[in-house]
Amino acid sequence: QQQVKQSPQSLIVQKGGIPIINCAYENTAFDYFPWYQQFPGKGPALLIAIRPDVSEKKEGRFTISFNKSAKQFSLHIMDSQPGDSATYFCAARISNFGNEKLTFGTGTRLTIIP
Amino acid sequence: KAGVTQTPRYLIKTRGQQVTLSCSPISGHRSVSWYQQTPGQGLQFLFEYFSETQRNKGNFPGRFSGRQFSNSRSEMNVSTLELGDSALYLCASSLRTDTQYFGPGTRLTVL
Repeated sequence: QQQVKQSPQSLIVQKGGIPIINCAYENTAFDYFPWYQQFPGKGPALLIAIRPDVSEKKEGRFTISFNKSAKQFSLHIMDSQPGDSATYFCAARISNFGNEKLTFGTGTRLTIIP
Repeated sequence: KAGVTQTPRYLIKTRGQQVTLSCSPISGHRSVSWYQQTPGQGLQFLFEYFSETQRNKGNFPGRFSGRQFSNSRSEMNVSTLELGDSALYLCASSLRTDTQYFGPGTRLTVL
């Protein structure tokens, strides 16, 4: 059962453009929403994260927008660069009596062309 | 601090064999999680160990098992390998799941 739906599967954007990756979830018990960035041959690395009581979080060129009522959140990359070309995963965490579990989206392969 | 290390980095096995993958977490991290990454399915959660106890488990068959040692190092075992087990297996360690630190993964190919 896919609890976090991510789109698009792949995305090509010109340098300087603003790629947007979207995720939707169903379980309202999720309490933490991180984004991970993965380069070829490497494991995913935490990029930015948001909690559901905040509608937007910005770190450098990366911004998460969060819409609690729609159960959707998205990643925006400002002034995108070829070095941002990677696979991006959204995730959602559920906490249950001290046990925490992350559920990942299926990933978006982003290519920034010069 | 040294990052999460996984060994081996690459493995080739044949159907029916079994395989053991190893993960050394970041020093001080007691939680180790395992994920299977495939192009179509993304990252699928296998299980999580904390202080030598399995704390969470994903929806994988019993052929997939793991354990954690007293030094927090973890191993994952897959028995009776199938072609569909070909994937990148990722290990992540954490103090809390706020931040999971992933290793580079073990690329398993089943022929």
